[in-house]
Amino acid sequence: AQSVAQPEDQVNVAEGNPLTVKCTYSVSGNPYLFWYVQYPNRGLQFLLKYITGDNLVKGSYGFEAEFNKSQTSFHLKKPSALVSDSALYFCAVRDLVNDMRFGAGTRLTVKP
Amino acid sequence: GAGVSQSPSNKVTEKGKDVELRCDPISGHTALYWYRQSLGQGLEFLIYFQGNSAPDKSGLPSDRFSAERTGGSVSTLTIQRTQQEDSAVYLCASSLTSGIANTGELFFGEGSRLTVL
Repeated sequence: AQSVAQPEDQVNVAEGNPLTVKCTYSVSGNPYLFWYVQYPNRGLQFLLKYITGDNLVKGSYGFEAEFNKSQTSFHLKKPSALVSDSALYFCAVRDLVNDMRFGAGTRLTVKP
Repeated sequence: GAGVSQSPSNKVTEKGKDVELRCDPISGHTALYWYRQSLGQGLEFLIYFQGNSAPDKSGLPSDRFSAERTGGSVSTLTIQRTQQEDSAVYLCASSLTSGIANTGELFFGEGSRLTVL
């Protein structure tokens, strides 16, 4: 079955610094990879996805992620963090026909 | 509506009572998911409906949990004889599929917060 690991429960960065939220996956066949963000007391919002093509995908709010097949990773990145980026971030994976599975989430805190 | 709608937004019930949570997905979305999220934690997969196929129930934690999807649209998650450990936010999501390729992102509702006293 497909699965996702987010090795960091918490990531702290200073405003203006680059941020990385890590994700590794396991799936049989080609992976479809997603990042979602959850603000306090809200549902999840889609940020970006990798289906095929260019390994670097760009999404909402200036976020991007790089698909690395050899390392089975799909890390989320942003060149310059904002305080408003503070939230809970989830990586997710599915294969061609199965359901979507989520990681445990990483809480990002951006300090002024 | 434009998004996934869930009701009730909040439900407080007594231990042992049955509860029903409703999800109205985005029109035309053939895939529908239920997840459970405990306070500040990750998403626990519960059940997945895809078109007219038999649902994937592999995530349901016990036989007290069941879900149905009528007419390929609205879904109801039922929890019988609720226990305190059932307290959580129950999230519903839907997505668009094209043929056999299930590459669409999920659109989430705001969730139903269940508190079992």
